[in-house]
Amino acid sequence: EDQVTQSPEALRLQEGESSSLNCSYTVSGLRGLFWYRQDPGKGPEFLFTLYSAGEEKEKERLKATLTKKESFLHITAPKPEDSATYLCAVRGILHTGRRALTFGSGTRLQVQP
Amino acid sequence: NAGVTQTPKFQVLKTGQSMTLQCAQDMNHNSMYWYRQDPGMGLRLIYYSASEGTTDKGEVPNGYNVSRLNKREFSLRLESAAPSQTSVYFCASRALDRGSTEAFFGQGTRLTVV
Repeated sequence: EDQVTQSPEALRLQEGESSSLNCSYTVSGLRGLFWYRQDPGKGPEFLFTLYSAGEEKEKERLKATLTKKESFLHITAPKPEDSATYLCAVRGILHTGRRALTFGSGTRLQVQP
Repeated sequence: NAGVTQTPKFQVLKTGQSMTLQCAQDMNHNSMYWYRQDPGMGLRLIYYSASEGTTDKGEVPNGYNVSRLNKREFSLRLESAAPSQTSVYFCASRALDRGSTEAFFGQGTRLTVV
């Protein structure tokens, strides 16, 4: 059974204070690592897909990177509107033997003005 | 473009009552999913439908049933609700149930069983 672990559980930053979120994974044959953003009371919103080690993707103040064991979501000069829970997922294998998206429990980010 | 639409948004049930959560997508996706989200546990897959006419169990299927009514609609039924089923339920869809295509999520149904 594949697993995804995200750290830290919660992170509080000052506006402009850059940091990184971590997603460690174990999966039998990676078929994509996904990052989502979730605002309170809403469904997850897709941010990035990374396919192979060494790949990087950027969107505004966010940059996602991937190695063979983990992914980082770097947040540069964050703003209060970046406050949200960030979810990481891999297409892993369930205990049933079937392959499906397996999610981590998320990092709750709060950016204070 | 509505994407994935879930109804209802909120529901309170008494233990033993039944209900059906509805989900519809307008993106012509083949695959649809039901997840539940609980504090500290992330999103866990309940059931999924890789394509119209097929359904399969996910990680936590006990106490639930599903119906893939057509390509657009995928419903989740609780036959006899229990307090342990208090959760936020999300429906999602993907173009295909393979590869690295991303999933799109609805806004969620917040269910409380008392």
